[in-house]
Amino acid sequence: QVHLVESGGGLVKTGGSLRLSCTTSGFTFRDYYMGWIRQAPGKGLEWVSYISHDDDTKYYADSVKGRFTVSRDNAKNSLYLQMNRLRAEDTAIYFCARDLVGSPAYWGQGTLVTVSS
Amino acid sequence: DIQLTQSPSPLSASVGDRVTITCQASQDISHYLNWYQHKPGKAPKLLIYDASNLERGVPSRFSGSGSGTEFTLTITSLQPEDIATYYCQQYSNLPRTFGQGTKLEIK
Repeated sequence: QVHLVESGGGLVKTGGSLRLSCTTSGFTFRDYYMGWIRQAPGKGLEWVSYISHDDDTKYYADSVKGRFTVSRDNAKNSLYLQMNRLRAEDTAIYFCARDLVGSPAYWGQGTLVTVSS
Repeated sequence: DIQLTQSPSPLSASVGDRVTITCQASQDISHYLNWYQHKPGKAPKLLIYDASNLERGVPSRFSGSGSGTEFTLTITSLQPEDIATYYCQQYSNLPRTFGQGTKLEIK
């Protein structure tokens, strides 16, 4: 059974940093692209970052480019998102997901990040 | 990046109504489109994949159609439990992008 579990969310001050983790099981992690998607309060789903299975290719939304860094550890079946210089508009639920290419679609339950002054 | 534009938003309908949501892609994505249902506090739920294939366990009142740049999600006979926000998402190209969402409300 596939599981994705996010952790690392919390309350942080504007300009601060957080590192999110996504621990996975039930599939061959190293074979898949992985992604981070967020939902801000009252807003829609927004892709944040994607990373290739071999860590070779990374994509970032313009809203986070230069501030967020995605990484993975295939030996630990884990995905990470280092978030620096956080802004109020980064407040959101952050979901990790296995590459969303049709069925099945695997998402974590999300972790809440709140950025406040 | 491929842009997906959904309409309408929001959408108000009555129980028993037929509801249609459209998703327009900024370029040809063939049939590489998912539809999700999203309720607060939960992970998005896959309803339709490959534009028209019903995910296992999803009620048959949900259906999808389209290819290229124009897609639709249809709910025949709207039920109270269908109240949610619906998103299309393409997987023709990376990054996998989403429509802005259609919030479905009961009249």
